Amino acid sequence: GAVVSQHPSWVICKSGTSVKIECRSLDFQATTMFWYRQFPKQSLMLMATSNEGSKATYEQGVEKDKFLINHASLTLSTLTVTSAHPEDSSFYICSARDQDSYHFGNGTRLTVT
Amino acid sequence: DAKTTQPPSMDCAEGRAANLPCNHSTISGNEYVYWYRQIHSQGPQYIIHGLKNNETNEMASLIITEDRKSSTLILPHATLRDTAVYYCIVNLGGGYQKVTFGTGTKLQVIP
Repeated sequence: GAVVSQHPSWVICKSGTSVKIECRSLDFQATTMFWYRQFPKQSLMLMATSNEGSKATYEQGVEKDKFLINHASLTLSTLTVTSAHPEDSSFYICSARDQDSYHFGNGTRLTVT
Repeated sequence: DAKTTQPPSMDCAEGRAANLPCNHSTISGNEYVYWYRQIHSQGPQYIIHGLKNNETNEMASLIITEDRKSSTLILPHATLRDTAVYYCIVNLGGGYQKVTFGTGTKLQVIP
């Protein structure tokens, strides 16, 4: 079946640095991908919709300059957390749609120290 | 997207059927019902989806009421590995449609 691969699976970075997370659709093309954030014991919260070849659409309250999204090809979207702070520590998950269902990556655990 | 309501938690004995309900009373005629589950610290896993007919696959069965205002996900023989948070989502199903998650049902399968 369709697979969405996310990398890295976990990352630890220092406060003030930037971190890039990659999301790839392995055996299908995705003009649209979605980025979520999940805090412990909470549901997934949609952050933004990534559109191939155009600007991402951000959900209300999500800072677009803080969370940079690039969707340069039909199989790759990246999320860059800029100037990370401890409150950005979270589980980040991407998703893409193939035919009739959505597929999710296995998530990236970001810890900012 | 229509909102969904699920019980926050359920228990099920191992080997028994797990029946997870979902209310979606404001669903529109062209919205699908999707079910996903999330095992701890992993991404959500697709289970099944349907429009108005009941559906079955190797993982589960989906029963949608005739008025489509509610549905039930059935895991016929629950195992310990089925312990997870189960999310019911309604969505138009198009590639550009964003998927928003409710709070889901935490299913605990008990030995």
